[in-house]
Amino acid sequence: AQRVTQPEKLLSVFKGAPVELKCNYSYSGSPELFWYVQYSRQRLQLLLRHISRESIKGFTADLNKGETSFHLKKPFAQEEDSAMYYCALSGGSGQNFVFGPGTRLSVLP
Amino acid sequence: GAVVSQHPSRVICKSGTSVKIECRSLDFQATTMFWYRQFPKQSLMLMATSNEGSKATYEQGVEKDKFLINHASLTLSTLTVTSAHPEDSSFYICSAGGAGTPYNEQFFGPGTRLTVL
Repeated sequence: AQRVTQPEKLLSVFKGAPVELKCNYSYSGSPELFWYVQYSRQRLQLLLRHISRESIKGFTADLNKGETSFHLKKPFAQEEDSAMYYCALSGGSGQNFVFGPGTRLSVLP
Repeated sequence: GAVVSQHPSRVICKSGTSVKIECRSLDFQATTMFWYRQFPKQSLMLMATSNEGSKATYEQGVEKDKFLINHASLTLSTLTVTSAHPEDSSFYICSAGGAGTPYNEQFFGPGTRLTVL
């Protein structure tokens, strides 16, 4: 069965500190992994996807198939990064989309 | 990027009435739409997966007779909360995706806040 776990419900870091939001998954196949972000009073929006190997707003995420992880990282956190972050997995063709429970990132001044 | 709209954005109703929420994909055809429920400061809870032209697939614990989902076209899915009660008050979010979207990702609507008095 597909599953996405995010072990931290809340993560607090100081501005300028590195941040890593953890995501692990279980899926019997080749999944597509995503990170979504929800800023206060805004809709969920895609932050990045593993397939495009991009860096958005300074965030990167590498898919580690051996560890079945897709951790989100940023070397220097900013206050505007404070938001709810969701890791998500797709089984392909847009079906079977599964979200993790989310991690609330709080960047302190 | 692709745009998904929801209507209404906010609705207040009396207990026992039914409420319909619409989810539209504005510039792409969505073979699949998902309906979520979100409580304050909590994660999204998937309620059901709606496939165009077929019956929705409900998650365990979600009453299909209470939360009626219709996905009659590739751009519209509706969620009807029947005989609403105060415990149904929540934030309902839809997302749309499918083979027509880049990378099979999901695009989210802005959500509908339902308050049942």
